[in-house]
Amino acid sequence: TQLLEQSPQFLSIQEGENLTVYCNSSSVFSSLQWYRQEPGEGPVLLVTVVTGGEVKKLKRLTFQFGDARKDSSLHITAAQTGDTGLYLCAGANAGGTSYGKLTFGQGTILTVHP
Amino acid sequence: DTEVTQTPKHLVMGMTNKKSLKCEQHMGHRAMYWYKQKAKKPPELMFVYSYEKLSINESVPSRFSPECPNSSLLNLHLHALQPEDSALYLCASSPAASGSNYGYTFGSGTRLTVV
Repeated sequence: TQLLEQSPQFLSIQEGENLTVYCNSSSVFSSLQWYRQEPGEGPVLLVTVVTGGEVKKLKRLTFQFGDARKDSSLHITAAQTGDTGLYLCAGANAGGTSYGKLTFGQGTILTVHP
Repeated sequence: DTEVTQTPKHLVMGMTNKKSLKCEQHMGHRAMYWYKQKAKKPPELMFVYSYEKLSINESVPSRFSPECPNSSLLNLHLHALQPEDSALYLCASSPAASGSNYGYTFGSGTRLTVV
């Protein structure tokens, strides 16, 4: 069974601060996806990282995929109240018995205070 | 059209009722999924359909019955549910079931309450 350990589980910060969320596993994934979910809505895809060592930037968000494709991080610079939400990392597999499955981390509930 | 549309948004049903959740996408995606999500927890996979055929059933109780009438539609039929089945039910789609390089597009979900 593949597991993704996501940390921290809860994060409460002031507007303007920086933060990093981590996603770690002992398993190799074909890709790592990051989602953001607001209450009462479905998760929204932020980014997919595929290549080991890959770094992607989305405005104030920076995503990194580990060289061994087992871990990933999300860094937010100068957080805003609009960044509040549940952040989920998810690992995808291209084959084997896990074909078609996403393995989700436990999520990080981020609250940004004004 | 880049959306997954789920109906209804909210559903309250008794334990003896039969109801159905509906999901629709027009992005040409060939894989569709049902997930169950409890509050502040990650989504849990229930079913995967690939090219309109059921490819994964995560040992879901038979009171949940999925159906894929065509490549754009996915239904989840509910019968004799228990209060612990109350949750947000999410539908998602992706271009292919591998999900390797493809992100998933999720619908807004159906908030189900079983009384």
